[in-house]
Amino acid sequence: DVKVTQSSRYLVKRTGEKVFLECVQDMDHENMFWYRQDPGLGLRLIYFSYDVKMKEKGDIPEGYSVSREKKERFSLILESASTNQTSMYLCASSLPKYPPHNEQFFGPGTRLTVL
Amino acid sequence: SQELEQSPQSLIVQEGKNLTINCTSSKTLYGLYWYKQKYGEGLIFLMMLQKGGEEKSHEKITAKLDEKKQQSSLHITASQPSHAGIYLCGAATSGTYKYIFGTGTRLKVLA
Repeated sequence: DVKVTQSSRYLVKRTGEKVFLECVQDMDHENMFWYRQDPGLGLRLIYFSYDVKMKEKGDIPEGYSVSREKKERFSLILESASTNQTSMYLCASSLPKYPPHNEQFFGPGTRLTVL
Repeated sequence: SQELEQSPQSLIVQEGKNLTINCTSSKTLYGLYWYKQKYGEGLIFLMMLQKGGEEKSHEKITAKLDEKKQQSSLHITASQPSHAGIYLCGAATSGTYKYIFGTGTRLKVLA
């Protein structure tokens, strides 16, 4: 069974802290994605990785960085957390294919609160 | 840039009623995906539509893509409390592996 896991379901951090969100997939997918989800704004892509050590900025990369050292793991880093980064963070993975074979599989999400 | 508009933003229905959620794009959709999200959780894939006029069903949920491939609808027949959640449409963007998403429709089904 396909699985994407995220390191924490809930996380509370203080302003200025460095925050790591981890995502692991067991499907041998090349593509991995980080989104944030906010009420009224839907899902917005932060970063995307199409291979180990490869990354591409999404729509809202400011304040974030990513790391992909192994195929199965994609980390999102908040270098200095701010209150406006309080959000639900969702990780997804997919095969490097075009429709109809590029369904994205999502993790359960991490709800991050920055105080 | 391409955007997806979903309507309605929220919906409250009595158990047993039918309902429809719409997803509209200003550009031709390259692939249209419907997901369901239970409150506070990740997204669960429901259906994918690619061809104009295509229709797919799973249990009591039917999704359609219009002939012009710019609008999709998700129809739930005889709704149940288990259908409650947030429904999101996503679309593949031409030439990349990335998706764009609608803002979601929050569905509540009253028992």
